[in-house]
Amino acid sequence: GNSVTQMEGPVTLSEEAFLTINCTYTATGYPSLFWYVQYPGEGLQLLLKATKADDKGSNKGFEATYRKETTSFHLEKGSVQVSDSAVYFCALSQNTGFQKLVFGTGTRLLVSP
Amino acid sequence: DAGITQSPRHKVTETGTPVTLRCHQTENHRYMYWYRQDPGHGLRLIHYSYGVKDTDKGEVSDGYSVSRSKTEDFLLTLESATSSQTSVYFCAIRPGTGNTEAFFGQGTRLTVV
Repeated sequence: GNSVTQMEGPVTLSEEAFLTINCTYTATGYPSLFWYVQYPGEGLQLLLKATKADDKGSNKGFEATYRKETTSFHLEKGSVQVSDSAVYFCALSQNTGFQKLVFGTGTRLLVSP
Repeated sequence: DAGITQSPRHKVTETGTPVTLRCHQTENHRYMYWYRQDPGHGLRLIHYSYGVKDTDKGEVSDGYSVSRSKTEDFLLTLESATSSQTSVYFCAIRPGTGNTEAFFGQGTRLTVV
């Protein structure tokens, strides 16, 4: 079945450091890939997405590239801010059938001033 | 705000009692989902709906039932609450499937004592 594996957290960084959160997936065919972010006490919101191989999703300085050959969708940001502290979820959805949204376990990011 | 309201936002209940959580949307989206969020597990799908009276089970459906008699409402019922159902429950809606974004409610924190 479909699954998503994320690096365990927490990831602790100083402000302006470079961020990478690893995500790999298992799926048949060509799923769509997503990163969602959850701020404390809130629901999830979409950060970025990519719908086909080699696509790059980007938003608010975050980027992730859909790598079919390595089945990966790693999240990166060149310079993190304290306000980026949150939990980040990688997710996938098949583009055929019912297309359930499957999530990874989440990675907590803590950014200190 | 994607027009999703979950109620109640917090609830404490006793073991063995029935509990119903409500998800209400104003977007007229076809697809609705119930997830639970637990540390170390990310978000796990409980049940989902692809239309009025059309529902199906997710990966952790035991002990839960759902109903969708109107497009805007998706109810999750714990028939006889157990301590293992203590969790944060999220409702999500989606206009289409595959590469479309899902919108999440604020969550319901349920404690079973």
